[in-house]
Amino acid sequence: IQMTQSPSSLSASVGDRVTITCRASQGIGNSLAWFQQKPGKVPTLLLTRASNLQSGVPSRFRGSGSGTYFTLTISSLQVEDVATYYCQKYDDTPWTFGQGTKVDIK
Amino acid sequence: QVQLVQSGGGRVQPGRSLRLSCSASGFTFSRFPMHWVRQAPGKGLEWVSAVSDHGRETAYADSVKGRFTVSRDNSKNALFLQMDSLRPDDTAIYYCAIIWIGDSDFSYWGQGALVTVSS
Repeated sequence: IQMTQSPSSLSASVGDRVTITCRASQGIGNSLAWFQQKPGKVPTLLLTRASNLQSGVPSRFRGSGSGTYFTLTISSLQVEDVATYYCQKYDDTPWTFGQGTKVDIK
Repeated sequence: QVQLVQSGGGRVQPGRSLRLSCSASGFTFSRFPMHWVRQAPGKGLEWVSAVSDHGRETAYADSVKGRFTVSRDNSKNALFLQMDSLRPDDTAIYYCAIIWIGDSDFSYWGQGALVTVSS
């Protein structure tokens, strides 16, 4: 199963709503996680089960979707959200990552 | 607190071998499957391998199948990745990680080990 993210990069203003898309080549139910990786840091887990926000993650992050189509939305982009975001499927091995979406501030 | 401390990275010639280690502490290591994830310079994350909690089940990305072997020693809270027949496109930072999605969800990563395959 291939995981395809779009866009590969985006630039937005502080306060903008940002949406990243992740598509699976076959259905994976809701077995999707989102990770955030800030420059020079290891990835951190944002959401699991497509929409389950992890403890400590700001509520401006929201995930949705099931099957083959998923989205990660940042409702109001903040400076500290500059990072690369990855989706990852975990329904079965291989636990493939999407290619990543780099988010920066315009 | 959970800690994953990696060792074993370095520079190696194509065709040679290297073994990565990951020492775990702060949690019951034997309860959890473990993963290896790599990141080539300036590139995205690539899932490499996983091993079950007891070590009897393993899985690999197609890109490393037949060349890499994951194992663990639960008596020593240690995870390993034996990398054979290394190629230049294996050059990456290798991370050991727990990515647990179950009764509770969490993820912890090692600090990463740089592997450079070059003549």
